Amino acid sequence: GQQVMQIPQYQHVQEGEDFTTYCNSSTTLSNIQWYKQRPGGHPVFLIQLVKSGEVKKQKRLTFQFGEAKKNSSLHITATQTTDVGTYFCAGPRSNDYKLSFGAGTTVTVRA
Amino acid sequence: GAVVSQHPSWVICKSGTSVKIECRSLDFQATTMFWYRQFPKQSLMLMATSNEGSKATYEQGVEKDKFLINHASLTLSTLTVTSAHPEDSSFYICSAENWDGGGTIYFGEGSWLTVV
Repeated sequence: GQQVMQIPQYQHVQEGEDFTTYCNSSTTLSNIQWYKQRPGGHPVFLIQLVKSGEVKKQKRLTFQFGEAKKNSSLHITATQTTDVGTYFCAGPRSNDYKLSFGAGTTVTVRA
Repeated sequence: GAVVSQHPSWVICKSGTSVKIECRSLDFQATTMFWYRQFPKQSLMLMATSNEGSKATYEQGVEKDKFLINHASLTLSTLTVTSAHPEDSSFYICSAENWDGGGTIYFGEGSWLTVV
């Protein structure tokens, strides 16, 4: 079945540095969504990408959808302590369009 | 903005008892809600899809008689964990899609279940 894979599983970042987390699907996706879950909290929708090669920015966060619509990335610049949490990507399953979540990238920040 | 409320946030129950968790969409109607289970430091695993006015659809491997789902109205879905056992202890979280809001998915705050 369809799998959504995310790397790295853990990302330890020095405050002020940049990092990128990657999401790959075994099948072409109609769209990809990104969520953030703070420690002890629930996932919160960040963004949805639909078009091939699409790039969207939210302040220090840059989201990209691959040309083949099978991969995506989230790049955070000048990491802050408020960026701590787990970032999940999710794509609709091809058979029923229900979301399949990646394993998530858990980000910790060193001040 | 759109909000999905889940209750209770925390529940401890004795082994063999049943526990009901509610999921409400507070300012939008949701014909479909989703129930997930999340183990510590792991991803969200879809358990079932709750359909208003019809039976829920369960993912492979999820026992429908153990995890009863009722979607009685356009704003409320309930998950009942029946005859709970310690291995059912987990974080249960629901989500609902706000079609009037462009299809954005909103998650509830989640419910921590501990079975002792």
